Amino acid sequence: AQSVSQHNHHVILSEAASLELGCNYSYGGTVNLFWYVQYPGQHLQLLLKYFSGDPLVKGIKGFEAEFIKSKFSFNLRKPSVQWSDTAEYFCAVNDAGNQFYFGTGTSLTVIP
Amino acid sequence: DGGITQSPKYLFRKEGQNVTLSCEQNLNHDAMYWYRQDPGQGLRLIYYSQIVNDFQKGDIAEGYSVSREKKESFPLTVTSAQKNPTAFYLCASSIPGGFNEQFFGPGTRLTVL
Repeated sequence: AQSVSQHNHHVILSEAASLELGCNYSYGGTVNLFWYVQYPGQHLQLLLKYFSGDPLVKGIKGFEAEFIKSKFSFNLRKPSVQWSDTAEYFCAVNDAGNQFYFGTGTSLTVIP
Repeated sequence: DGGITQSPKYLFRKEGQNVTLSCEQNLNHDAMYWYRQDPGQGLRLIYYSQIVNDFQKGDIAEGYSVSREKKESFPLTVTSAQKNPTAFYLCASSIPGGFNEQFFGPGTRLTVL
């Protein structure tokens, strides 16, 4: 089975600070990569995804992620966070099969 | 409005009782999934189904059962054999194919007393 690692379990930032959340996966073949966000009291929703093409993908709300195949990584970034970005963030991987594998999540708290 | 509904939002059961969690979608998706979310453990796959009348076990299927008699519905039964059933359960659906994202329901929080 795949494994997905999110090394930052809890991140606290002040508004306007830059954000980078790490995600590493174990599978060496073709992968589809996702970042999901769970705002307090809301459904999990897709932030962005990568399956081919430009390794720098842009998502909603100013988020972006870079796929680095040689490092098995798909880190999430945002240049300037807002209080409304407070949420839990999950990285997920699909190895072109039927299953999705999720990381343990990173809880982000943004202080106004 | 297209989406996934899960009911109820909160569920309490006594130890030793089976309980069924509902999941309905009107997105016309063929694939449906059940996950369990525990603090610090992310989402773990219980069962998934790619098509009606077919389903496969995920990583933590022991103590759970599912059925897929209709495209729109994928109920999950938590049996008395599940040793630690208290958790947050999430249902998702997608168009089959690994590059298609999943859409999630609001979840059911099950507490077994």
